[in-house]
Amino acid sequence: QSALTQPRSVSGSPGQSVTISCTGTSSDVGGYNYVSWYQQHPGKAPKLMIYDVSKRPSGVPDRFSGSKSGNTASLTISGLQAEDEADYYCCSYAGSYTFFYVFGTGTKVTVL
Amino acid sequence: EVQLVQSGAEVKKPGESLKISCKGSGYSFTSYWIGWVRQMPGKGLEWMGIIYPGDSDTRYSPSFQGQVTISADKSISTAYLQWSSLKASDTAMYYCARLKSSGAAADYWGQGTLVTVSS
Repeated sequence: QSALTQPRSVSGSPGQSVTISCTGTSSDVGGYNYVSWYQQHPGKAPKLMIYDVSKRPSGVPDRFSGSKSGNTASLTISGLQAEDEADYYCCSYAGSYTFFYVFGTGTKVTVL
Repeated sequence: EVQLVQSGAEVKKPGESLKISCKGSGYSFTSYWIGWVRQMPGKGLEWMGIIYPGDSDTRYSPSFQGQVTISADKSISTAYLQWSSLKASDTAMYYCARLKSSGAAADYWGQGTLVTVSS
């Protein structure tokens, strides 16, 4: 069960939009509508930002949105703000025949 | 308010045993899966395994099967992660997390427990 593939880093200026991709296979991302995204600031625990591909938990700004096409999921941050600078990880359900879940490799978002 | 509170940082020697804990509150502890996640220094997140405290059903990621033991004591709403013989490569931050009722996302996280293994 290999980690999902994310770009190592993305960057943008305040107010711009950035999109992070998360590529898996038909056994994980492509097979289920169970992709979640987590934000992690340095020294802090991860925080759930998106679940079930595109749903936002209460309290998460609507600047954060998720989508999926085939074996690739995406997280878009619109109207980038300084506090969005963090590491972001995707995670997908991968079925019960292997272990249930797999994380992505992680992406560092830098606000220029 | 849902909370997961983990035990404090540990410094151990190679070969020693260790058990760290994660206490849940503010929700029905027996009704949600709890997962353990490893983050090695400067690295990404890795699922280690999950447990359903209601019946102690436990699943391990293949990478961690046989390397750790996950358990839970529902009487005190606490999940555990334990090692019988630590290695230097076990040095990492370990997080517990509650899985949403749909089981597909971790909606609440503990603060993390730093485990340092060094001779």
